[in-house]
Amino acid sequence: QVQLVQSGAEVKKPGASVRLSCKASGYTFTNYYLHWVRQAPGQGLEWMGIFDPSGVSTGFAQMFQGRVTMTRDTSTSTVYMDLSSLRSEDTAVYYCAREYREGDGMDVWGQGTTVTVSS
Amino acid sequence: SYELTQPPSVSVSPGQTASMTCSGDKLGDKYVCWYQQKPGQSPVLVIYQDARRPSGIPERFSGSNSGNTATLTISGTQAMDEADYYCQAWDSSSASNRVFGGGTKLTVL
Repeated sequence: QVQLVQSGAEVKKPGASVRLSCKASGYTFTNYYLHWVRQAPGQGLEWMGIFDPSGVSTGFAQMFQGRVTMTRDTSTSTVYMDLSSLRSEDTAVYYCAREYREGDGMDVWGQGTTVTVSS
Repeated sequence: SYELTQPPSVSVSPGQTASMTCSGDKLGDKYVCWYQQKPGQSPVLVIYQDARRPSGIPERFSGSNSGNTATLTISGTQAMDEADYYCQAWDSSSASNRVFGGGTKLTVL
């Protein structure tokens, strides 16, 4: 079945970097955009960025410019997101979600990865 | 950057109709999606392209979008519909960017 499986929880110190993964299965990997969305404890959803696995193009929310990198491994249908210069405010659940085209919505979501930033 | 505004909370009695709004500048010119999120779970898409329901979403969920406001309506609200609801649109001023509203907590009393 169609699913996105994310990597496990991470605990990092301030200033460190983290790499999260999102492995797609059950559909053609390059046909769907892949979004990253995060949710701080008790807060709402925050869009971080978009990755196009077919063209390797990306787009980011302005607040993450310069701190986020997205890459892919087509052999394993996996997208990676690297977030650098971590601070306590980056403590959140990070989700990946797919979207076929603009307006279609994010119809499949990963289970989420908890990232805790603490000294 | 583009902003979407949602009321923090909406309450409804079981069996009644719940409506929640999402406001943004010229929102009616954009496609709006709605997501339901229950505690400890990943969000679920319930409406896309303003008013379309994904497969498996009950008919009691409907959406509309005009002017500066999009609305999610749940007819015959059930206890299982109690959740947080988020609207989402495309920020056309910033290439591929998407934006979420702050979310509305639906309480079924």
